[in-house]
Amino acid sequence: EVQLVESGGGSVQPGGSLRLSCVGSGFTFSENWMHWVRQAPGEGPVWVSRIKPDGSTTHYADSVTGRFTISRDNARNTLFLQMNRLTADDTALYYCTTGGSGYFKYWGQGALVTVSS
Amino acid sequence: EIVLTQSPGTLSLSPGERATLSCSASQSVTNNYLAWYQQKPGQPPTLLINGASIRATGIPDRFSGSGSGTDFTLTISRLEPEDFAVYYCQHYVTSQLTFGGGTKVQIK
Repeated sequence: EVQLVESGGGSVQPGGSLRLSCVGSGFTFSENWMHWVRQAPGEGPVWVSRIKPDGSTTHYADSVTGRFTISRDNARNTLFLQMNRLTADDTALYYCTTGGSGYFKYWGQGALVTVSS
Repeated sequence: EIVLTQSPGTLSLSPGERATLSCSASQSVTNNYLAWYQQKPGQPPTLLINGASIRATGIPDRFSGSGSGTDFTLTISRLEPEDFAVYYCQHYVTSQLTFGGGTKVQIK
């Protein structure tokens, strides 16, 4: 059974930083593109970032470019999202997801990030 | 960036009725790289369809996807009580993946 478990969410002040983690199991982590998708309360999902299986290529949504960094540790089956210079607009449930060639078959339960003063 | 516009915003139907949801793209979705998801409150989205018309594993055949180019449709042939939810389309043509704004299917 595929499992994706996010951690690292929390409450932070504007301008602050957080690092999310996602541990994958039940599939060959090192062979899959991994993504972060976020969903603000009452809104639809928004793709944030993705990383190639070997970590050599990354892509970001325009709204987070220059502030967020995606990375992975294939030895530990773990995906990361370093989030800097956070604003209230970054408040959302952040999902780790994978499972297709750009679409998302498997989802975690999400890590809640709240940016508020 | 490809913008996906879903219509209608809300669909009010009764169990047993047919639901037709639309997703319109601002530019051509090449290779039919379009997916559909269902989301219920408090849960992550569930993949229904990829490649515009390929049902994901375990998805009932009352769900079907069609379309090409810029216009796509998700059809639920006969609504079951568990189908009342929000549905999203998503493209994966370019490196900037985007979702549509969603269609809520609610009980009439």
